[in-house]
Amino acid sequence: EDKVVQSPLSLVVHEGDTVTLNCSYEVTNFRSLLWYKQEKKAPTFLFMLTSSGIEKKSGRLSSILDKKELFSILNITATQTGDSAVYLCAVERGSTLGRLYFGRGTQLTVWP
Amino acid sequence: NAGVTQTPKFQVLKTGQSMTLQCAQDMNHNSMYWYRQDPGMGLRLIYYSASEGTTDKGEVPNGYNVSRLNKREFSLRLESAAPSQTSVYFCASIQDRLNTEAFFGQGTRLTVV
Repeated sequence: EDKVVQSPLSLVVHEGDTVTLNCSYEVTNFRSLLWYKQEKKAPTFLFMLTSSGIEKKSGRLSSILDKKELFSILNITATQTGDSAVYLCAVERGSTLGRLYFGRGTQLTVWP
Repeated sequence: NAGVTQTPKFQVLKTGQSMTLQCAQDMNHNSMYWYRQDPGMGLRLIYYSASEGTTDKGEVPNGYNVSRLNKREFSLRLESAAPSQTSVYFCASIQDRLNTEAFFGQGTRLTVV
């Protein structure tokens, strides 16, 4: 059975802290891993990772994939209250392109 | 710049009633998806349509039907709503096999009483 496990499930930090969110997976025929940010409404795309060891960055957010150990991390540096959201990890299989298997998400709360 | 549009945004049904959730995308995407999101459960795939004219079951298809009306529109129907179908429903689309970043609609919050 395919599995995507995120940890921690919730996290509370203060502005300026750095956080690391984890996503491990067991999926047959892995194709890509995606990170989404969800603030009350629709998930919005952050990163797609397909190759091991190549870091993707967007501002204060960065992510990397380890296909040998089957996990990814999402780092957020110098957190702001606007980073408060649920961060979703999803995995795509090569046999069913576009069909995503989601983890339960990490609820991040950033206090001023 | 509409992207993926879902209607309605909110709905309350009585057990046994039927309804159709509508989804339309204006990005000329080939594939469309219906997910449900329950508290603490992440998103789970109900049905998807890899291309116009095709539909397939996802992880949790029981109690639902879908129609891919044309390339733009993909509807989800509940024939006889049950309280277990209380959830937030998201429609999503992707462009093609080389561009599989999913774009999501704003969601429909459905309550079945």
